[in-house]
Amino acid sequence: DIQMTQSPSSLSASVGDRVSITCRASQSISDYLNWYQQKPGKAPKLLIYATSSLQSGVPSRFSGGGSGTDFTLTISSLQPEDFATYYCQQSYNTPGFGGGTKVEIK
Amino acid sequence: QVQLQESGPGLVKPSQTLSLTCTVSGGSISSDSYYWSWIRQPAGKGLEWIGRIYSSGSTNYNPSLKSRVTISVDTSKNQFSLKLSSVTAADTAVYYCARDSLLYSTSYLSNYYYYYGMDVWGQGTTVTVSS
Repeated sequence: DIQMTQSPSSLSASVGDRVSITCRASQSISDYLNWYQQKPGKAPKLLIYATSSLQSGVPSRFSGGGSGTDFTLTISSLQPEDFATYYCQQSYNTPGFGGGTKVEIK
Repeated sequence: QVQLQESGPGLVKPSQTLSLTCTVSGGSISSDSYYWSWIRQPAGKGLEWIGRIYSSGSTNYNPSLKSRVTISVDTSKNQFSLKLSSVTAADTAVYYCARDSLLYSTSYLSNYYYYYGMDVWGQGTTVTVSS
């Protein structure tokens, strides 16, 4: 089993802030890493796949990076609609999710 | 525009079997480019991948649930299903079905690399385990 660990578990930020979320895998997963956004009461939405590829329709303020075991999701300028919970997911073998990072309004 | 819709009982008694179906509309479940997954989320908690099935019937399961999970596909109805046996209160959650799509592929020195992501989700259905 590959364990995915996200940090922080929550953060407070203001509109316009640059925000970064970290995801660490328990073993190397190369670049097989996806990011999802989930708003309350809604299904998750795919933001980024293969570490850094933006899913169609996702704003360019979202970006992803990393390789091996350490990955980052960055929001360059936080917008009101970005307050949500974010999950990483490895697709290296059978899928597994990180525990989530809740982005709250400061 | 592919859509997924979960259906099934919202209340299941402890020790019984939870059964859910996901109906795929707007596209074929038989396409080579997709797995079909089940994911669950207890209230206030994170996402847990349960398992997935390919149109051929090939399955993968979360090791922590494998002994209790069966996922099947009915291509004639464009549906796939989840059965989770011997349920307890810990199985109470919102259950989602999702399409796990081949989004990117590449090759290097005759090795092939395939990148999947869950790009279409159902709205989720709440299942409560209680007597």
